[in-house]
Amino acid sequence: SSELTQDPAVSVALGQTVRITCQGDSLRNYYTTWYQQKPGQAPALVIYGENNRPSGIPDRFSGSSSGNTASLTITGAQAEDEADYYCESRDTRGVQFGGGTKLTVL
Amino acid sequence: QVQLVQSGAEVKKPGASVKVSCKASGYSFTSYGISWVRQAPGQGLEWMGWIDCYSGNTNYARRLQGRVTLTTDTSTGTAYMELKNLRSDDTAVYYCAREDVGSSSYWLDPWGQGTPVTVSS
Repeated sequence: SSELTQDPAVSVALGQTVRITCQGDSLRNYYTTWYQQKPGQAPALVIYGENNRPSGIPDRFSGSSSGNTASLTITGAQAEDEADYYCESRDTRGVQFGGGTKLTVL
Repeated sequence: QVQLVQSGAEVKKPGASVKVSCKASGYSFTSYGISWVRQAPGQGLEWMGWIDCYSGNTNYARRLQGRVTLTTDTSTGTAYMELKNLRSDDTAVYYCAREDVGSSSYWLDPWGQGTPVTVSS
């Protein structure tokens, strides 16, 4: 089982703002990384470092953290944002992933 | 462009081994590490291990230690993941991903396209 905890499912109305959270003790030590995975595709990086987006990721995606909780916020969710989202962090043993959050855009 | 291309789908019997390749292009292979991640059907992501493509140093997930071996061929810019003594619950899509490092941060980008491995008698 994952030591990073995510809500299994979240929904948002089209154009509204949604926050996806990730909790875990290892989040205190490193910035949290976020990945988006659409059905049948490999995961893709959406947020890394303090709040950085790779080229091609819209600026409606942002990341933040406080203590042992990290958040991915989508401001003005679009239909194409419907996907699974995974947080990732590190500890002395290696890489940890959250269990994933399925985002539904209504 | 930076790209990782993995080998094709595999079907194996329980107890057998599988070796998946991941060919890198578009960057200096030995300047980065490679992580391997798997995803069972309908499940989340599971980290398997990491290899430093310059030194060959490795770090394996505790629950797979002893069954998984990561290697590289720097002459071709290819990373390999071998999993031994396969079981039915090893059925998954296996991904390689390049690891990048920043200040207090790590990330995996890009990812290979994935290699489905089916373990069935």
